[in-house]
Amino acid sequence: QVQLVQSGAEVKKPGASVKVSCNTFGYTFSGSYIHWVRQAPGQGLEWMGLINPNTGGANYADKFQGRVTMTRDTSIGMAFLDLSRLKSNDTAVYYCAREVDSRGYGRWFDPWGQGTLVTVSS
Amino acid sequence: SYELTQPPSVSVSPGQTVSITCSGEKLGSRYVCWYQQKAGQSPVLVIYQDTKRPPGIPERFSGSNSGNTATLTISGTQIMDEADYYCQAWDSSNVVFGGGTKLTVL
Repeated sequence: QVQLVQSGAEVKKPGASVKVSCNTFGYTFSGSYIHWVRQAPGQGLEWMGLINPNTGGANYADKFQGRVTMTRDTSIGMAFLDLSRLKSNDTAVYYCAREVDSRGYGRWFDPWGQGTLVTVSS
Repeated sequence: SYELTQPPSVSVSPGQTVSITCSGEKLGSRYVCWYQQKAGQSPVLVIYQDTKRPPGIPERFSGSNSGNTATLTISGTQIMDEADYYCQAWDSSNVVFGGGTKLTVL
């Protein structure tokens, strides 16, 4: 059974950085991209970017360029999201999700992690 | 940048059929998937490749995609289907989500 398990909730002050982890189980870690998606309170889903666990290469949404870093540790099957220079409007639930790639017939997310609440408050 | 537009809310009576739309320029030329998100939970995939259901998703969920509009249809809607629904597609190398539709079953 494929499962993604994320680290626990975080409270950070404005200007600080946060690191969220995503532990994967039940499949070959290097075989599927990992995406990060966030959801502010009462809002919709916002894509942040992806990492290729095989190469370590990442693609970030324009909005987060320069402030986000996605990494992985293939030895333990984990992906990480680093977000720096936090602001109050970064308060959100952050999700990791495994990409399923049908090789030319679409790409989708299944499953998602349970989410990590990051609260940014002074 | 590419945008996907969904109605903010839709309501349906139990047992009836409801459709949720997702609009975008030439959306029919892209693959669309749909996620269900119940209150306080993570999103769950309900439709992929426009029309396919993952294992465990009830047959009452179906999808279509043509022209500028993709549609998620729930037939015989149940109380348990009350949730937020999001469409998703790709724009070049970026992922795009619709704004989400709150489905109320009453």
